[in-house]
Amino acid sequence: TQLLEQSPQFLSIQEGENLTVYCNSSSVFSSLQWYRQEPGEGPVLLVTVVTGGEVKKLKRLTFQFGDARKDSSLHITAAQPGDTGLYLCASSSNTGKLIFGQGTTLQVKP
Amino acid sequence: GAGVSQSPRYKVAKRGQDVALRCDPISGHVSLFWYQQALGQGPEFLTYFQNEAQLDKSGLPSDRFFAERPEGSVSTLKIQRTQQEDSAVYLCASSIRTSGVETQYFGPGTRLLVL
Repeated sequence: TQLLEQSPQFLSIQEGENLTVYCNSSSVFSSLQWYRQEPGEGPVLLVTVVTGGEVKKLKRLTFQFGDARKDSSLHITAAQPGDTGLYLCASSSNTGKLIFGQGTTLQVKP
Repeated sequence: GAGVSQSPRYKVAKRGQDVALRCDPISGHVSLFWYQQALGQGPEFLTYFQNEAQLDKSGLPSDRFFAERPEGSVSTLKIQRTQQEDSAVYLCASSIRTSGVETQYFGPGTRLLVL
């Protein structure tokens, strides 16, 4: 079973700061997904990365997939309180079930 | 609404009690997944259905956990003789594959507290 390690586990920053969250595995990902989960809600898909070296942008969020497809990062520019939540990376098995990292809890203070 | 719905949203059970958690997937979605999520952690896979067939139940933690989807739509996760360690959020997701890409849509979860 592929294990995903996320770091940091917890991040508390001031509004306007930048941050990066990492997701690593010893195995190669076929694809990797990033989710954001707010309290009391289910995870919501932000992006799927498939190709090694791929970079995707979603407004202030930048997602990178490592060249060897073993790692990924999520960078948030000028964080806002609305970015507060649990950020999860996940890989998909061939049956479709998702294997999640342990998550990064982000708190952005105004 | 068009999303995945789950009920109840909150459930408090006494240890030893049986509980049933319901998931209404998005209409037409073939695949349905159940996950268990501890506080501040990532969800962990429990079981997977394709239509009414339960194709993978490798994540169910014990034989006290049972899931069904008899008509290939609504699914129920049942936990018998609940224990304190069963306290968690139980998430349901449904998915459909379009152009080779499968996206899971999650419900809001049922928060179970076993006292």
